[in-house]
This record gives sequence, C-alpha cells and structure tokens, in this order.
Amino acid sequence: QSALTQPPSASGSPGQSVTISCTGTSGDVGRYNYVAWYQQVAGKAPKLLIYEVTKRPSGVPDRFSGSKSVNTASLTVSGLQAEDEGDYYCSSYAGSDTLVFGGGTKLTIL
Amino acid sequence: EVQLVESGGGVVRPGASLRLSCAASGFNFDDYDMYWVRQPPGKGLEWVAGINWNSYRTGYADSLRGRITISRDNAKNSVFLQMDNLRLEDTALYYCARGVRHSHGNDHWGQGTLVTVSS
Repeated sequence: QSALTQPPSASGSPGQSVTISCTGTSGDVGRYNYVAWYQQVAGKAPKLLIYEVTKRPSGVPDRFSGSKSVNTASLTVSGLQAEDEGDYYCSSYAGSDTLVFGGGTKLTIL
Repeated sequence: EVQLVESGGGVVRPGASLRLSCAASGFNFDDYDMYWVRQPPGKGLEWVAGINWNSYRTGYADSLRGRITISRDNAKNSVFLQMDNLRLEDTALYYCARGVRHSHGNDHWGQGTLVTVSS
C-alpha cells in the first residue's frame, strides 16, 4: 500500500482550467475503476468530488471531471473560481478491501 | 441529513489504547460500508480501515495492521476503531466516513476526533 503520487501544488487564474494527476500502480489505479477525488478546504472535512473515476455525486458542479489512463488518474477543474482553492486528494481501491490515498495537491487560485 | 459524529479521542501516552466511536444517523446504516481515515496535523489523508455492511469483510492499512481493529454495531448505528500500543506517529485527526454504496470512496465524513500521543 504505497501512497499514490500527486504533485504537491497546482495553480491557475479564475476562469482557467487546471488538471491534477494521481499516479498509482497496476495494483491499484491501473487495475480498478475505483478512483475517487476529494476537496478539503482549510479546517474542514474532505468532500467527495468524483468516484469511480468519472462519476460526480449530486451537487458537485460539472466543472469537476475525472479521467484515467493506465496507472494515472486525473482531475480537471474547469472555469476556476476562488472557492476552488484548497487541498485535493485522490484515492484508489487497492484490492483486499483496502484503499490508498494520494499525498494531496494544494490548489492555489492566482 | 447524514450525520457522522466521532468521539473517543484524547491525549494518551505511547503504548496506551483508545477506542474511537462514530455515531451515524440520517441513513440506513446497515446498507453501507464504513471507514476510518486519519490526518496528522498539517499533513495529508491516510486510509486506516474499512468494514463492510455486515462486518463480514474488514481491511486495514499495512502500517497499522496488528494494532487496530475496526468493528460495528448495526443495532446502535455505530462503528468503532480499537487502537492499541499507540505510537507518537499515530497523532492525528481521525475521521469516520461512509462508503459510496456498492462502490469505493467516501461520500460523507464526520468532523473528526483528535488523538494525541505524547510522552
């Protein structure tokens, strides 16, 4: 269960798009379509943005989208808004009833 | 409204034990898998453990296996995390989270309970 790899930081200006990557292995991201993405703003609990690679829970804007290619999943945030600033985490099912998180990416709105 | 309320955290010495609890409400508890996730101060999320709806299946982070036990009581709408032989590096905010139904991922989270291990 090695942590998934995310870039420590990302940034973009309002209205722009930004993509955050999440790299795992053939034993987690590459094997299962159970990648999820979370947003955590300062002092708050994480909020689910994406599950099963591409699905959005009700209430999550369609500005947030997910994808996957081989062992790397990605979260794209389009039309950046000031409220999107925060920490973003990916997770993946890793088999044998276990999950693994990424190290997190701090998104800054310029 | 889905609510998850953790309790049981506190300040303990290395080697001590703690039992965390999570009281769930606002949904049919025994339809969902439940999880514990922790976050050390100023650091990222770390998956700790999960348990399926009927307790038949459990999973643990390799780094904690052998020192923790997850359990649930569907009659009391509660999930628990027994932590033994606590170490300094176990200091973290421990979140209880509900699993996405028939999937993996966590769609509702509590506010967390803080565990501080200090000598």
